[in-house]
Amino acid sequence: GAVVSQHPSWVICKSGTSVKIECRSLDFQATTMFWYRQFPKQSLMLMATSNEGSKATYEQGVEKDKFLINHASLTLSTLTVTSAHPEDSSFYICSARDLAGEVNEQFFGPGTRLTVL
Amino acid sequence: LAKTTQPISMDSYEGQEVNITCSHNNIATNDYITWYQQFPSQGPRFIIQGYKTKVTNEVASLFIPADRKSSTLSLPRVSLSDTAVYYCLVVPSSNTGKLIFGQGTTLQVKP
Repeated sequence: GAVVSQHPSWVICKSGTSVKIECRSLDFQATTMFWYRQFPKQSLMLMATSNEGSKATYEQGVEKDKFLINHASLTLSTLTVTSAHPEDSSFYICSARDLAGEVNEQFFGPGTRLTVL
Repeated sequence: LAKTTQPISMDSYEGQEVNITCSHNNIATNDYITWYQQFPSQGPRFIIQGYKTKVTNEVASLFIPADRKSSTLSLPRVSLSDTAVYYCLVVPSSNTGKLIFGQGTTLQVKP
């Protein structure tokens, strides 16, 4: 199946700093990618839809100025957590859909563990 | 998007068959039923997808009754490595890929 990678796999940062997380589709092109957040023992929560060449679409309650999304190419989307605070500590997961694959088969990245001190 | 309801947790023993049922009473005509598996600290992995009747692959089977208001994921002869969270999702065929996850079912396989 198609592969989605994320970088870094984990990051620790100080409160107030910004952190960038990359999501890449390695063997297919993705005009749309998705960013999720998952807190311990909870399900995945969709944060935003990343659209190549246009602005991201954010879910209700997600601050677009805090979670900056850029989808500059068909294989790369980045999520920047700006002015991170401890409550932003979470597991961030991206996904992409291979349009040539099964209907609605999503491929997920391995996730990025963010810890804000 | 149709809401799904699954048991929060299930226990099983190695070698047993496990069936996880998901309710989706408000499923629409063009919706597919899709199951994902997630191990701790990893992204979800696609298991199986179906529209009606039965679908089988090398990992699992998916049973969908005629009214499509529920579905059952069947894992044959589970092993310890099948311990994971299993998510049932209902997704429109026209969907661009946006997925809404429910609470999932935590399966614990014991030796």
